Parts: sequence; C-alpha cells; structure tokens
Amino acid sequence: DGGITQSPKYLFRKEGQNVTLSCEQNLNHDAMYWYRQDPGQGLRLIYYSQIVNDFQKGDIAEGYSVSREKKESFPLTVTSAQKNPTAFYLCASSSRTGGDSNQPQHFGDGTRLSIL
Amino acid sequence: DQQVKQNSPSLSVQEGRISILNCDYTNSMFDYFLWYKKYPAEGPTFLISISSIKDKNEDGRFTVFLNKSAKHLSLHIVPSQPGDSAVYFCAAPSRGAQKLVFGQGTRLTINP
Repeated sequence: DGGITQSPKYLFRKEGQNVTLSCEQNLNHDAMYWYRQDPGQGLRLIYYSQIVNDFQKGDIAEGYSVSREKKESFPLTVTSAQKNPTAFYLCASSSRTGGDSNQPQHFGDGTRLSIL
Repeated sequence: DQQVKQNSPSLSVQEGRISILNCDYTNSMFDYFLWYKKYPAEGPTFLISISSIKDKNEDGRFTVFLNKSAKHLSLHIVPSQPGDSAVYFCAAPSRGAQKLVFGQGTRLTINP
C-alpha cells in the first residue's frame, strides 16, 4: 500500500541530545513537509522540501534541521538548540509543487517526542 | 498572525443531528480551502476541499460552504455519526509555495 511512514511512534530525548525522526513515502510525491502540533494548536510548519536536495524553512525552523537526499525520505533532526521539543511531529507529502497548490497533503501517523 | 481561525475549540452534537464546524480566514488571497479530520495519535486525513470559484462542495454526508465576502467557511456533517468524533482542521495553501496554513482545530464529539 502507498503511504507515509513515520518512525518511531514515540521518542524520548535527553537534555543536550540530538534526535532524528524518520519519514518515508512511497507515493512518488515531490514535496514533503514537517509540522509540529502542540495541544490546542493547529499544525505549524517546520521545514518543507519541494524537490530533492532542496528545502526551505517554515514558520518555526529554529532548533531543527532536515535533509532531502532521496525523493522518498525527509528526516527531521531535533537539535539540542530546540528548547521546547516536546510535541507531536507530523510529516506530509503532496504530488504537486510550485504554482499549482490544489493538491491535498497526505500525512503520516506522527511521532510523539518527549523530554526525559 | 493567525490567518486561519477556528474559534470553537470544541463542539458536542447528538448522533443523527447536523454538525456545523466553522472557520474564518483573513487572507483574501486564499483561493482554495481544505478540511482535515484527525483522530488521536494519528495523522490528519484529507476530508473535503473547495475552490474559491465555488460556494459549495458536497461529498456524501459532508458539505463545505464558502462565503468569500465574509471570509468564512463551514463544514456540515449530516447525519452525524459516532465515528465522526475527531478533531477537524481547516487549512488553506499559501501562494508561491505549497505551504498549508492551519486553523487551531475543533474537537467534535458525537453523543449517542
């Protein structure tokens, strides 16, 4: 089945530690996204990538880093510089890029990150 | 700057009745809107969308209405079923990039 796979489902981070969240899609989508959800808030965009080897900062990129070496993969690293990393992280992908924005984004099931 | 707003954090509706979820936006450049449904510990799933050239789009029990002059859209679910209990987000793509701007979400609870 085609879809987006995020792993792990739960992740714990120690103080000063970097952690990497995995996102893989087999939908042949060009664009991929990382969002963060906090209780009572909507989804906020961290980073997005419209094509391999290119990515852009979203609204809350500080303390995060990404890479896009393969079309299928868009891992997110939560660095020690992110002072409030506890949240639910969602990865998404979509089939169109550029000016045609009328394609729904498809989401993975998320990774819940907590601080030890 | 909250460009997409859902002012009701929660809504409770009796099974079989109509559920109406509301969403307001401030950016007049938005020309396409989406509704997503989210269960706990899962990612959002796309539900229904509407283009600004229309004022209504219907898909089974779900209908979205768009009032451009009021910058308001609403999602109607009728009849409401227990499986509809979830958080609903409205969203709009920003121009120039395929970024989605989300509202805060409304938690819908369908009571038997």
